[in-house]
Amino acid sequence: DGGITQSPKYLFRKEGQNVTLSCEQNLNHDAMYWYRQDPGQGLRLIYYSQIVNDFQKGDIAEGYSVSREKKESFPLTVTSAQKNPTAFYLCASSTRLAVQYFGPGTRLTVL
Amino acid sequence: GNSVTQMEGPVTLSEEAFLTINCTYTATGYPSLFWYVQYPGEGLQLLLKATKADDKGSNKGFEATYRKETTSFHLEKGSVQVSDSAVYFCALSETGAQKLVFGQGTRLTINP
Repeated sequence: DGGITQSPKYLFRKEGQNVTLSCEQNLNHDAMYWYRQDPGQGLRLIYYSQIVNDFQKGDIAEGYSVSREKKESFPLTVTSAQKNPTAFYLCASSTRLAVQYFGPGTRLTVL
Repeated sequence: GNSVTQMEGPVTLSEEAFLTINCTYTATGYPSLFWYVQYPGEGLQLLLKATKADDKGSNKGFEATYRKETTSFHLEKGSVQVSDSAVYFCALSETGAQKLVFGQGTRLTINP
């Protein structure tokens, strides 16, 4: 079955700690994305990557970092510099026709 | 810049009612338009799309028509079911671009 997996589903972090969210896809898509979703709000783009070893900042990149060493993987690190990291994080990948396919999400809670 | 505006929610309807969720956009060029649906605790799923003016996207009884003259892409369904309860997002992408711009989402609740 082709798709996008995100792990873990729930993640708890203490203040001041970095944490890495995993995103893997086997759809052979070149482009991948990370979004943040807060309760009752839309999606905000954190980072995106259109090709291996290249990525660009989205609208809210401060306090986050990414890497794209393999086509199928696009991990997101939430650093201690992110002041309000509690949120639902969604990873997506897309075809050239801009149809995005989403993973199930990771809910991050800072304790 | 590009933007998408959806009608404010939440929207609550009875089963078998007619549904309309309004979506208007601002964009340069000729965007593609999308509706995504998010069920509780899950990621988003593509519901339907349209790539040029006057195109009608349809899926699972939902329809939306790309209206360039009114810059709109309203979502409609003739008879909603309890299982349609979810959050619906309108989105656009510009020609040749893969990034999406999302509206704020509209929460829909269908009561039996």
